[in-house]
Amino acid sequence: KAGVTQTPRYLIKTRGQQVTLSCSPISGHRSVSWYQQTPGQGLQFLFEYFSETQRNKGNFPGRFSGRQFSNSRSEMNVSTLELGDSALYLCASSSGLNEKLFFGSGTQLSVL
Amino acid sequence: GDSVTQMEGPVTLSEEAFLTINCTYTATGYPSLFWYVQYPGEGLQLLLKATKADDKGSNKGFEATYRKETTSFHLEKGSVQVSDSAVYFCALLSGYSTLTFGKGTMLLVSP
Repeated sequence: KAGVTQTPRYLIKTRGQQVTLSCSPISGHRSVSWYQQTPGQGLQFLFEYFSETQRNKGNFPGRFSGRQFSNSRSEMNVSTLELGDSALYLCASSSGLNEKLFFGSGTQLSVL
Repeated sequence: GDSVTQMEGPVTLSEEAFLTINCTYTATGYPSLFWYVQYPGEGLQLLLKATKADDKGSNKGFEATYRKETTSFHLEKGSVQVSDSAVYFCALLSGYSTLTFGKGTMLLVSP
């Protein structure tokens, strides 16, 4: 059974640009959530989608957005990038029924 | 809101030493508790979980017991190996599928 797949693995952008990250969950999982990991703030929850609906959202500015498609794949978008957005972005999938979450390898975003 | 506090690292041990990483939590109700491990350059791997009071999660020699009375979920291993060197995260599940993480504890095991 394939795991959670995140693409791309690495991204380098400049301030002011926008970026889209992709996540393919484990087959059969309907929940996809996103986390930001930085050395200073640790792991912080961004948002969670279940069956194409956002069910929960963390405390991030509106520049961070996401969506989920009918096949459960999810994308995360960050507009008007800032230096502080440099981080490892992790996607996790689960059945969505208060079960364990499985993480992808992440996308390392560097904003210059 | 929910929060997780775990001991700061790094924890430095010699191979075959006993490991304890402390974790306490604050939450409404009785959330499921998890330990995740992160190796350099990788994502998070689920190490073990416990879903209710007095449950013991175990995997690969690691154990943790859900203690409701002390709101704790300490990670233990009887004999660590060099390959256990990684960052360990304690987490609780709140909401539908939302994990609240501790800051992480780096473990360094020397031969």
